[in-house]
Amino acid sequence: GENVEQHPSTLSVQEGDSAVIKCTYSDSASNYFPWYKQELGKGPQLIIDIRSNVGEKKDQRIAVTLNKTAKHFSLHITETQPEDSAVYFCAARFYLTTDSWGKLQFGAGTQVVVTP
Amino acid sequence: GAGVSQSPSNKVTEKGKDVELRCDPISGHTALYWYRQSLGQGLEFLIYFQGNSAPDKSGLPSDRFSAERTGGSVSTLTIQRTQQEDSAVYLCASSLDADTQYFGPGTRLTVL
Repeated sequence: GENVEQHPSTLSVQEGDSAVIKCTYSDSASNYFPWYKQELGKGPQLIIDIRSNVGEKKDQRIAVTLNKTAKHFSLHITETQPEDSAVYFCAARFYLTTDSWGKLQFGAGTQVVVTP
Repeated sequence: GAGVSQSPSNKVTEKGKDVELRCDPISGHTALYWYRQSLGQGLEFLIYFQGNSAPDKSGLPSDRFSAERTGGSVSTLTIQRTQQEDSAVYLCASSLDADTQYFGPGTRLTVL
């Protein structure tokens, strides 16, 4: 079945530095790749997503890149702030059947700690 | 507008008891998903509804787990004869299209 691997599992950065999280996926038919941020005691919240017809997308300090050939995608956070501290999950959508909406397969998560 | 809500927020139960977890999706969202998140782990897919039908039940861990959705809105996840390994946070998400899923705050289940 579909597999999504996420690295690193933990990431500690100094405030103001950049953070990069990488994910790889196995199903070449996957065409949608969201990133979620989960703060302690809360549900995951979508922060950015990218579709397979786009190579890069930016939203203020957050950017996502996609390499379809290599089947990997990355989250980049620039000028990190203490409020960026959270667990980040990548995901890839894959399909069970042609008439299915598909489902998201999530990576294991990255605990990001931004120290002042 | 109102987001996805789940109740209860916390549930403590004794081993062997049945529990029901409720999810109220965003109004108008046709798709509803249930996930399980064990401590410090990722999200494990359980079941997905499109309207009131469940095209994909592949993630339910055993026949003790079941879910239903009525009126294309509220969904209930039922766990019968709970075991300690069922302890986790159960997350619900809803979606209007095939892409963006909006998550609720989750129900933390503790089985003693």
